[in-house]
Amino acid sequence: KAGVTQTPRYLIKTRGQQVTLSCSPISGHRSVSWYQQTPGQGLQFLFEYFSETQRNKGNFPGRFSGRQFSNSRSEMNVSTLELGDSALYLCASSLNSGGHIQYFGAGTRLSVL
Amino acid sequence: KQEVTQIPAALSVPEGENLVLNCSFTDSAIYNLQWFRQDPGKGLTSLLLIQSSQREQTSGRLNASLDKSSGRSTLYIAASQPGDSATYLCAVMNRDDKIIFGKGTRLHILP
Repeated sequence: KAGVTQTPRYLIKTRGQQVTLSCSPISGHRSVSWYQQTPGQGLQFLFEYFSETQRNKGNFPGRFSGRQFSNSRSEMNVSTLELGDSALYLCASSLNSGGHIQYFGAGTRLSVL
Repeated sequence: KQEVTQIPAALSVPEGENLVLNCSFTDSAIYNLQWFRQDPGKGLTSLLLIQSSQREQTSGRLNASLDKSSGRSTLYIAASQPGDSATYLCAVMNRDDKIIFGKGTRLHILP
């Protein structure tokens, strides 16, 4: 069974641009969560999608948005990029929402110049 | 507001020793607690998940305990090996289903 796949692995953007990251969950998993990891703040929860609906949301500005498609694949979009958005963005999938083991992808490393 | 703390931030131990990693959380109303390992530049690998009604979970050389009343969890690694070198993260899921991570303990096993 294939694991969680995140594309692209690396991305370089400039301030003010927007970016879209993609996550393909493990087959059969319906929940996808997104996290931002930085050296200063550690891992922070962005949002969770389940059955194409945003089920939960962390404390990030509206520039961070996401969606989930009917095949459970998810995308995350960041608009008007800032230098502080440079981070490793991790996606995790689980069978269902609420308390199930999460399986993480390798992440997308975003650098904003 | 839930806060998760992991002490120490870094730890070096000789190969073969048993060791304990600590995790504390401020709000005991959790749904579960999960331990992960992260290798440099990689994603997270789930090690053990403890539901709030459980006291401990074991997998191979790993044993995780949970004491909700005191807001503590420990991850015990027996007979450490160089391959255990990684960052270990503790994460709690609150009742609102939000997951809060600690900042991790960087473990280095000395050959």
